[in-house]
Amino acid sequence: ILNVEQSPQSLHVQEGDSTNFTCSFPSSNFYALHWYRWETAKSPEALFVMTLNGDEKKKGRISATLNTKEGYSYLYIKGSQPEDSATYLCASGNRDDKIIFGKGTRLHILP
Amino acid sequence: NAGVTQTPKFQVLKTGQSMTLQCAQDMNHEYMSWYRQDPGMGLRLIHYSVGAGITDQGEVPNGYNVSRSTTEDFPLRLLSAAPSQTSVYFCASSYGPTSTYEQYFGPGTRLTVT
Repeated sequence: ILNVEQSPQSLHVQEGDSTNFTCSFPSSNFYALHWYRWETAKSPEALFVMTLNGDEKKKGRISATLNTKEGYSYLYIKGSQPEDSATYLCASGNRDDKIIFGKGTRLHILP
Repeated sequence: NAGVTQTPKFQVLKTGQSMTLQCAQDMNHEYMSWYRQDPGMGLRLIHYSVGAGITDQGEVPNGYNVSRSTTEDFPLRLLSAAPSQTSVYFCASSYGPTSTYEQYFGPGTRLTVT
């Protein structure tokens, strides 16, 4: 994998349901994995930065895991709420101090 | 703290015109970056700076210039605007290297080149 790939591109989830989505990144020269939340008409805001294989971070109902050996990270949202509607960006930072962003997963919460 | 501020919020230019997008941060961050956001694309890095007086090219630098005379300010100059530069531009800053530190983004500048 040379780029950061996020799937799915778009997701509709019923309010109250839990959901997750994936970020795949180049595992060679990897240094850190970033998750950002980007609401419409606003700017991206950092959720997590993870560096270690097996890392798991949590902020309220949102959590993320990291597998650096196979090059993927999952973002989980438990009990989705309307305010969770946003685009979730993943970015991979490498040891050359370069950062590459994925195209994002656009999450729509249905009332 | 105002965080990262950008001006203007919207701008329309004609092909060939030049302009400067302003970016300022009040968090004393050494690292600052400019990105562009186009439909169907991830954020792409235009130029970045690791401190006052030091700048470097990112992924898509052509047609843009930057300078960093102070820690606070990081303006982006469009030398001769082209329709391909129609985009939303975000400035971001971080305490340390962008590969490992979270970035704080400005509100963005929506630029249209006709």
